[in-house]
Amino acid sequence: AQSVTQLGSHVSVSEGALVLLRCNYSSSVPPYLFWYVQYPNQGLQLLLKYTSAATLVKGINGFEAEFKKSETSFHLTKPSAHMSDAAEYFCAVSVGGGSNYKLTFGKGTLLTVNP
Amino acid sequence: GAGVSQSPRYKVAKRGQDVALRCDPISGHVSLFWYQQALGQGPEFLTYFQNEAQLDKSGLPSDRFFAERPEGSVSTLKIQRTQQEDSAVYLCASSRTYYNEQFFGPGTRLTVL
Repeated sequence: AQSVTQLGSHVSVSEGALVLLRCNYSSSVPPYLFWYVQYPNQGLQLLLKYTSAATLVKGINGFEAEFKKSETSFHLTKPSAHMSDAAEYFCAVSVGGGSNYKLTFGKGTLLTVNP
Repeated sequence: GAGVSQSPRYKVAKRGQDVALRCDPISGHVSLFWYQQALGQGPEFLTYFQNEAQLDKSGLPSDRFFAERPEGSVSTLKIQRTQQEDSAVYLCASSRTYYNEQFFGPGTRLTVL
């Protein structure tokens, strides 16, 4: 079975600073990996996904993530935080194939951006 | 519609009541997923439909939970004899096929008193 661990339930950065949200996964087969963002009272929005092509994945809103198999990690980064980035971020894994495309999520990391 | 819609957005139920939560997926999307998100947690998978067929219900926490999608479009998640531990946000997601991006609705927040 697959699982995801997000390190840090709350990350606080200053506007303009680097954003780094950590995600480690466990999977017995090559995984598909995702980062979602959730704004208050809204559904989840896909930021980016890794599906075994390029290991450096670029997403929306200036975010990117790097798949590192040796470290079983898929950390999310953004060079310069904006106030509008304040939200909850979820890392998720899927092992693909039929009903296995269900997503297994981490517990989330709340990002606060200070002016 | 433009996205996945869910109704009601908020539901308060007394313990022991039955509730029904509706999901309208994006038109033409074959796959539909239900997730449960408890407070302070990530979403957890409940069940998956491909058209009208329920292919995976391994995440349903008890036999009080039942989901259907009779015509392969709208889906309903029903919870019988609600308990306090059922309080959560219930998220619905749809995708064009099972390997495409899942688009999430805003969720239904269920509070059981």
